[in-house]
Amino acid sequence: GAVVSQHPSRVICKSGTSVKIECRSLDFQATTMFWYRQFPKKSLMLMATSNEGSKATYEQGVEKDKFLINHASLTLSTLTVTSAHPEDSSFYICSARNRLRNTEAFFGQGTRLTVV
Amino acid sequence: DAKTTQPPSMDCAEGRAANLPCNHSTISGNEYVYWYRQIHSQGPQYIIHGLKNNETNEMASLIITEDRKSSTLILPHATLRDTAVYYCIVRVAWNNNDMRFGAGTRLTVKP
Repeated sequence: GAVVSQHPSRVICKSGTSVKIECRSLDFQATTMFWYRQFPKKSLMLMATSNEGSKATYEQGVEKDKFLINHASLTLSTLTVTSAHPEDSSFYICSARNRLRNTEAFFGQGTRLTVV
Repeated sequence: DAKTTQPPSMDCAEGRAANLPCNHSTISGNEYVYWYRQIHSQGPQYIIHGLKNNETNEMASLIITEDRKSSTLILPHATLRDTAVYYCIVRVAWNNNDMRFGAGTRLTVKP
């Protein structure tokens, strides 16, 4: 089956620093990837849609200068949390859809970010 | 995308079938029913999807009513590892939009 790999799975960083999270589609090409955030006991909330070779589309209320998204290839999207604060601590999840079989989406295993 | 309604929680005995309902009364003709699950601290896992016919794969069966206003996900022999939050999502299959998650059903499989 299709595999989406996310790295790192856990990261702890100091307040004010930046953290980069990678999302890779391992066995398919994805023109579109999605970034979600999930707080404890809550459902997934879409942050942004990442399109290969173009600018990401951000959901209302999500700061594009704080959450930088780069989708440089058909198999890799990155999310950089800049100048992280404790309130950015959350579970970040990416998903990707096979551009040749655009039906179901596949999700990464998630990244637990803790800002101290 | 049509809205879905699921019970917030359900219990199931290990080894028994788990039947998870989902209402989607405003579903339109080109919208599919998708099911995903999320085990604690992991990303969502695709389970199954269907349009109007019943579907079965190695994980589960999906039963869609004839009027397509509701569906049931069936895990035929639930195990403790099936304990998770199950999400029913209705959307058009062939577009680039994301999956929109509701609250889901928290299934607890008990020994």
